[in-house]
Amino acid sequence: DIQMTQFPSSLSASVGDRVTITCRTSQSVSRNLNWYQQKPGKAPNLLIYAASMLQTGVPSRFSGSGSGTDFTLTINSLQPEDSGTYYCQQSFGAPRTFGQGTKVDI
Amino acid sequence: QVQLQQSGPGLVEPSQTLSLTCAISGDSVSSNSAAWNWIRQSPSRGLEWLGWTYYRSTWYNDYAQSVRSRITITPDTAKNQVSLQLESVTPEDTAVYFCARDWGDWGYFDYWGPGNPVTVS
Repeated sequence: DIQMTQFPSSLSASVGDRVTITCRTSQSVSRNLNWYQQKPGKAPNLLIYAASMLQTGVPSRFSGSGSGTDFTLTINSLQPEDSGTYYCQQSFGAPRTFGQGTKVDI
Repeated sequence: QVQLQQSGPGLVEPSQTLSLTCAISGDSVSSNSAAWNWIRQSPSRGLEWLGWTYYRSTWYNDYAQSVRSRITITPDTAKNQVSLQLESVTPEDTAVYFCARDWGDWGYFDYWGPGNPVTVS
């Protein structure tokens, strides 16, 4: 199975800050890496797919980069509604695997 | 707009079978571009993919090694839904269970059900 290492596990930032979350995979997943935001009591919501493609309806302050084994999610100009937990997930093969999550406090 | 509506009990006794259903609207369980997944989430295990079913001229299934001996995911083309059965449950199976669509060549989960909290006790 492809192991996912995500860091930091939590962070606190202020409105307007730039935030970066990192995800590392145990083997190359090419660009088959996706990012989700989850609010308490809700299902995860897709933000970024294929490492850098913005899902329809997601604000442009979210961006993704990387390929191979190292990926980043960046939130520019952090907004109050961006609080939640963020997960990376690889779709290179089965089983699909997720990172452990990064909790973002505003 | 794809919608996934989940149903099933919130409490299951140990050693019994957990059964959940995910009704699909806005897409077909037989879609040649989608795979239909069950994923669970617990504080101890995080987000854990359990398995999927998909149709590519024939039906395919694959399951996580951790539950492979106990799990069955079944499509129902007449009702356009997918079901999960997890046998011989223990308290470690307590989690929120989600169904989700895995879409296209990039394989991202673009639509999720609302989640079913299940307690094994």
